[in-house]
Amino acid sequence: KQEVTQIPAALSVPEGENLVLNCSFTDSAIYNLQWFRQDPGKGLTSLLLIQSSQREQTSGRLNASLDKSSGRSTLYIAASQPGDSATYLCALKPPSNTGKLIFGQGTTLQVKP
Amino acid sequence: DAGVIQSPRHEVTEMGQEVTLRCKPISGHDYLFWYRQTMMRGLELLIYFNNNVPIDDSGMPEDRFSAKMPNASFSTLKIQPSEPRDSAVYFCASSGTSGYNEQFFGPGTRLTVL
Repeated sequence: KQEVTQIPAALSVPEGENLVLNCSFTDSAIYNLQWFRQDPGKGLTSLLLIQSSQREQTSGRLNASLDKSSGRSTLYIAASQPGDSATYLCALKPPSNTGKLIFGQGTTLQVKP
Repeated sequence: DAGVIQSPRHEVTEMGQEVTLRCKPISGHDYLFWYRQTMMRGLELLIYFNNNVPIDDSGMPEDRFSAKMPNASFSTLKIQPSEPRDSAVYFCASSGTSGYNEQFFGPGTRLTVL
């Protein structure tokens, strides 16, 4: 059974620091992996989607990588800002012919000014 | 596009009452998902539709919950009768096969059952 884990559950860093959020999964057979951001009291915003055949995707200060063989994805945030404070969730889509996503529990990030 | 639209944004009701949550997916998307989020259990998939047909409802907690999708632009999630343990944020999301199934979420409905 595929499981997705995000450690740590919470992270606090000073402004300007580069940081890495981790996402691990137990089965390397995936279709794609998606990173989301959730602000308190809000819905989920899609940040990046990495296809199974890709190694990384970049959007602005964000870079997501995928290593299927090790069952790991990372979200790199460069030059963190207080506005980056939110909960970050990763979710993967299995290769089955469904639309279901399997979510991790999320990492809550606080960037201190 | 306006994104996924959900209504109401907040709902406060008393135990035993019927609650209906509404969702309008992104135009052209053929998958629609209903999720529930709580502090204790995180994000849970309740049910999802493909081309208006329910595909997997294994996440629906019990018979008090039902969902319908009468057409490609509208879906409802109904709870009857509601209970305090149903209090949560309910999200609707949609995706299209042409976009590598990237899911887009609505703002959610915060339900409080007293």
